[in-house]
Amino acid sequence: GDSVTQMEGPVTLSEEAFLTINCTYTATGYPSLFWYVQYPGEGLQLLLKATKADDKGSNKGFEATYRKETTSFHLEKGSVQVSDSAVYFCALSQGGSEKLVFGKGTKLTVNP
Amino acid sequence: SQTIHQWPATLVQPVGSPLSLECTVEGTSNPNLYWYRQAAGRGLQLLFYSVGIGQISSEVPQNLSASRPQDRQFILSSKKLLLSDSGFYLCAWTRTSRGEQFFGPGTRLTVL
Repeated sequence: GDSVTQMEGPVTLSEEAFLTINCTYTATGYPSLFWYVQYPGEGLQLLLKATKADDKGSNKGFEATYRKETTSFHLEKGSVQVSDSAVYFCALSQGGSEKLVFGKGTKLTVNP
Repeated sequence: SQTIHQWPATLVQPVGSPLSLECTVEGTSNPNLYWYRQAAGRGLQLLFYSVGIGQISSEVPQNLSASRPQDRQFILSSKKLLLSDSGFYLCAWTRTSRGEQFFGPGTRLTVL
């Protein structure tokens, strides 16, 4: 079946550092890909998405590019802030399915 | 615009007591609805989803049940809570099978 694999956390960075959270997927066909963010004690918020190969999703300084050849959707940010501390989930949605497939999440802590 | 509500926000219940968590969506019609559980420090587990009134799909056999009495209302229930039912319960909705899901603020359940 379809699956999503994220890099193991937790990730700890200093403010203004560069962030990469790796995400790879296994799926038949052409899924849509998502990154969600969960701040402490809150629900998940959609951070960005891409629906076809080579699409780049971006939001709040975060970016991710849908790479079909490497089945990857890595999340990047050039300069993280303390307020970016959260858990980040990669997910995919497959045509014909009502369900999202989530990765296990990566906890990011940014220190001042 | 669409909004999703969950209540209560927090709940402390004794083992063996019943449970009812409610989720409602405003500003859309005929959404797909989802219940997830997130145990402490772990990822998301899909419990139930519904594509229409009275239509419930169960993902994990357990002592929980779900109902959808109205188009935009989704209820999670249990007749007798277990310690292992503790966790953060999230409701979500989507309009299409390939689209992103939008999450509610969650309910923190502690079973003592």
